Amino acid sequence: KQEVTQIPAALSVPEGENLVLNCSFTDSAIYNLQWFRQDPGKGLTSLLLIQSSQREQTSGRLNASLDKSSGRSTLYIAASQPGDSATYLCAVIRSNQFYFGTGTSLTVIP
Amino acid sequence: NAGVMQNPRHLVRRRGQEARLRCSPMKGHSHVYWYRQLPEEGLKFMVYLQKENIIDESGMPKERFSAEFPKEGPSILRIQQVVRGDSAAYFCASSTGQENQPQHFGDGTRLSIL
Repeated sequence: KQEVTQIPAALSVPEGENLVLNCSFTDSAIYNLQWFRQDPGKGLTSLLLIQSSQREQTSGRLNASLDKSSGRSTLYIAASQPGDSATYLCAVIRSNQFYFGTGTSLTVIP
Repeated sequence: NAGVMQNPRHLVRRRGQEARLRCSPMKGHSHVYWYRQLPEEGLKFMVYLQKENIIDESGMPKERFSAEFPKEGPSILRIQQVVRGDSAAYFCASSTGQENQPQHFGDGTRLSIL
């Protein structure tokens, strides 16, 4: 059974700092991995989708990497801003089924 | 270009009543997924549907829960005889069904059971 773990569960950083969020999964037989952000009381906003054949994806200040052999993905956020405060979720995807981690709650302090 | 639309945003029911949650997928999407997010827990997959077909309902409780995605109209998640433990946020996502395409999520329905 696929288990997805995100560490840390919560993180507070001062504005401008670079940070890394971690996601690990137990079954490397995945198709893709997707990172989302969730704002309080809202749904999920897709940030980056990494296909299983890829090692990383970049969008603006965000960079996500995928290492299937070690069962890990990281989300790197450069020059963090208060507007980045949210919960970040990773999901591993296999056969159209998503397995979510419990998320990292990020607070960026102005 | 509307995204995934869920309604109602908030739903309050008393124990024993029925709850109906609706989801209209993004335009061009024919695949719908329902997830439940319990307090302090991650999102858990419930069911995956295409038009008029249930593809995978392995995450759906065997009793009281059902889902449909008719040829016309939104997908419906139905919970009969609700209990306190059904209180959660229920999210719907849609996709084209192709493996390299992301799922897009709605804002969810927050169900509260009194």
